[in-house]
Amino acid sequence: GQQLNQSPQSMFIQEGEDVSMNCTSSSIFNTWLWYKQDPGEGPVLLIALYKAGELTSNGRLTAQFGITRKDSFLNISASIPSDVGIYFCLSFGNEKLTFGTGTRLTIIP
Amino acid sequence: KAGVTQTPRYLIKTRGQQVTLSCSPISGHRSVSWYQQTPGQGLQFLFEYFSETQRNKGNFPGRFSGRQFSNSRSEMNVSTLELGDSALYLCASSPRDRVGYTFGSGTRLTVV
Repeated sequence: GQQLNQSPQSMFIQEGEDVSMNCTSSSIFNTWLWYKQDPGEGPVLLIALYKAGELTSNGRLTAQFGITRKDSFLNISASIPSDVGIYFCLSFGNEKLTFGTGTRLTIIP
Repeated sequence: KAGVTQTPRYLIKTRGQQVTLSCSPISGHRSVSWYQQTPGQGLQFLFEYFSETQRNKGNFPGRFSGRQFSNSRSEMNVSTLELGDSALYLCASSPRDRVGYTFGSGTRLTVV
């Protein structure tokens, strides 16, 4: 099915750096969910956003639901080795479920 | 509480065979959805069930089918397997309409 534009596709950072990724769409959505997936495992929900403009934090993670309802970003502050993995956005609106293409985060020693 | 349980974790099948995958949602969750994940295509939505009714379906051929039982457990079936069906199949459950899906660890299907 349709996929959301998620960027960047991959990131190589050093431990301690901040990370920012986003998802954009040409359609309006009612919900944005951010997930992290470790190799061989299912995605784990990080943050859920249900209202335009909503800004939500979960520890070092912060995500925002864009005012236009067409985008969302996820920030990770002071990255640590266990942040390595693939991050996905997932959204739905008008009975349509759509995924981001994923951002692969690698931490360089 | 127990998470979403998918069985089996790994499966090897030959072309032309059929396969059934199982998903047990979190207790109390009535919405179950299925996804196919491949390196090339990423996460692709297969179908979604709520209270035993298929509510939404992705763009997959009719070889892919599913059902949900009265206890909310769900099964997915793929008939006449093709090599391209090799993927990680993920199931997710939700307590009510599309609120915070919880994913299982997936079933890794390899078709040889």
